[in-house]
Amino acid sequence: SQTIHQWPATLVQPVGSPLSLECTVEGTSNPNLYWYRQAAGRGLQLLFYSVGIGQISSEVPQNLSASRPQDRQFILSSKKLLLSDSGFYLCAWSGQGANYGYTFGSGTRLTVV
Amino acid sequence: KQEVTQIPAALSVPEGENLVLNCSFTDSAIYNLQWFRQDPGKGLTSLLLIQSSQREQTSGRLNASLDKSSGRSTLYIAASQPGDSATYLCAVRGGYALNFGKGTSLLVTP
Repeated sequence: SQTIHQWPATLVQPVGSPLSLECTVEGTSNPNLYWYRQAAGRGLQLLFYSVGIGQISSEVPQNLSASRPQDRQFILSSKKLLLSDSGFYLCAWSGQGANYGYTFGSGTRLTVV
Repeated sequence: KQEVTQIPAALSVPEGENLVLNCSFTDSAIYNLQWFRQDPGKGLTSLLLIQSSQREQTSGRLNASLDKSSGRSTLYIAASQPGDSATYLCAVRGGYALNFGKGTSLLVTP
């Protein structure tokens, strides 16, 4: 069966520090991969999605970037964190094709101080 | 741009009641609709996935319906239990992205 792993679970980082969040998927190949952010009191916002290795699409201009160095690995990064980057970050995957549903990871709670 | 609205924002019911959560969306050109459950501080757990060609899906005490032409979906929970307490999120897929509502926070009291 397919599983999705996301780490770390919680992170407290100072303003201006770098960020790296990692997500891996097991049990499937060539998945679509996604990064979402859930800010307090707001809905879930799509940040990035990837349909293949090295293929990244950005939905929202921001201080963040994403990379997909391997088929089942998706990384969210920042060179310098801002206070507004605080939130709950969720990785998700879906099969290729529009009829597939999404499966989400357990999330990373990021607090920028 | 797809807008997804969930009503009510919060709901408190006594254990054993049947309840309905509502979701509406503005653009009927969707591939599918998915209902999720989110417990505090946790990720999203998929409950039901309804394709655009389907009218409903059932899983245990949960039943979700979809009326694509009117832009509406409902999640019916039968015989609610305290363990059902969580936030329920509706999401529609029109392309690669899932567009989410802000959720309904459900509290089931013993």
